[in-house]
Amino acid sequence: QKEVEQDPGPLSVPEGAIVSLNCTYSNSAFQYFMWYRQYSRKGPELLMYTYSSGNKEDGRFTAQVDKSSKYISLFIRDSQPSDSATYLCAMNAGNQFYFGTGTSLTVIP
Amino acid sequence: DAGITQSPRHKVTETGTPVTLRCHQTENHRYMYWYRQDPGHGLRLIHYSYGVKDTDKGEVSDGYSVSRSKTEDFLLTLESATSSQTSVYFCAIRPTSLGNEQFFGPGTRLTVL
Repeated sequence: QKEVEQDPGPLSVPEGAIVSLNCTYSNSAFQYFMWYRQYSRKGPELLMYTYSSGNKEDGRFTAQVDKSSKYISLFIRDSQPSDSATYLCAMNAGNQFYFGTGTSLTVIP
Repeated sequence: DAGITQSPRHKVTETGTPVTLRCHQTENHRYMYWYRQDPGHGLRLIHYSYGVKDTDKGEVSDGYSVSRSKTEDFLLTLESATSSQTSVYFCAIRPTSLGNEQFFGPGTRLTVL
């Protein structure tokens, strides 16, 4: 079983839709949770980072962590064509980081 | 790009040849990481460094070695490249003064024929 599971999609939504991206994990030692966005042939770029259970909002993006269920989510409101990318969840315990396989998102104008 | 460069950006090599990839940072962060990214596997940690001459293995370290003789440079070496090492390789830094996030370089696309 992988440390982090993420549905690869692909996910296709119309512009303006609310997008929900999710990951589950098995290691209860994970403490920090991150979401990255990766455009084609580019390096991942950090979108959001959170430590505790609950919600964290940044503009159109909301990260949600439920440690009791070992489940994290990223919500994108009012999705735009420029949001089309692969989204990676990541988490760590200590110095090592574990990534999901990424979900490919396309926002159709 | 958080001051991270990788070289070369693209390389094609033959099975059995040695290959060295370089990661260079301009901000003297202590932690540096090497990952490979493959379809269906996502990003997987190869090795990381927590200081000059201090390194540790990651999830997929077999067939790879690393060296860090200066804070700014972290080298990844494939001693004898195999076709299974065809991948995109990313370097990352972890500026712990900010938190626990990582910032990635632009990647090196390696093809082993």
